[in-house]
Amino acid sequence: NAGVTQTPKFRILKIGQSMTLQCTQDMNHNYMYWYRQDPGMGLKLIYYSVGAGITDKGEVPNGYNVSRSTTEDFPLRLELAAPSQTSVYFCASSYPQRPTDTQYFGPGTRLTVL
Amino acid sequence: DAKTTQPTSMDCAEGRAANLPCNHSTISGNEYVYWYRQIHSQGPQYIIHGLKNNETNEMASLIITEDRKSSTLILPHATLRDTAVYYCIVRVHSGGSNYKLTFGKGTLLTVNP
Repeated sequence: NAGVTQTPKFRILKIGQSMTLQCTQDMNHNYMYWYRQDPGMGLKLIYYSVGAGITDKGEVPNGYNVSRSTTEDFPLRLELAAPSQTSVYFCASSYPQRPTDTQYFGPGTRLTVL
Repeated sequence: DAKTTQPTSMDCAEGRAANLPCNHSTISGNEYVYWYRQIHSQGPQYIIHGLKNNETNEMASLIITEDRKSSTLILPHATLRDTAVYYCIVRVHSGGSNYKLTFGKGTLLTVNP
């Protein structure tokens, strides 16, 4: 199993450009998450999904959009990139078994907006 | 939501036990304590979790006080590869069956040769 994979690893965007961060998991997990991590800070939840066709906002959803058409894929879309979106983005997945579950994280995408 | 408090940084000698404390005085009775770590530039990695009993796995041990207001993660024989930021997280239940993890700043553990 590859686990959680993310592409690209690095990207530089100009202000106002758009891009999609890709995330794929091969563990048949129904829950998937997008986090961002600013320098020296902890992770903040952007969006999450509990299954195909279902998404919901996390702590910091402004400026982002997501979709979940399949169990495996959970892309994150930035429509109008801003310098405040410079960050490292992590995708994660889990298969919640009440009351506990473990989240598995991808290697991250390092995004710089200039 | 229960919050956690951890020291900003700690040092440990290679081969010695590393004991990382965490305070979670407002934890609810059905909330679990999770530990993750993040090695530089990598995604977070799950270590261990527990409710009220002490837990041990191949990576670490978790000691939770009887009143559940604090816990300690123990790495029995720290190696240089254990240098990382360690996050203590209390499981948050946010509507329906959606369990989300809230990451703070964690503790930077530096293992010295």
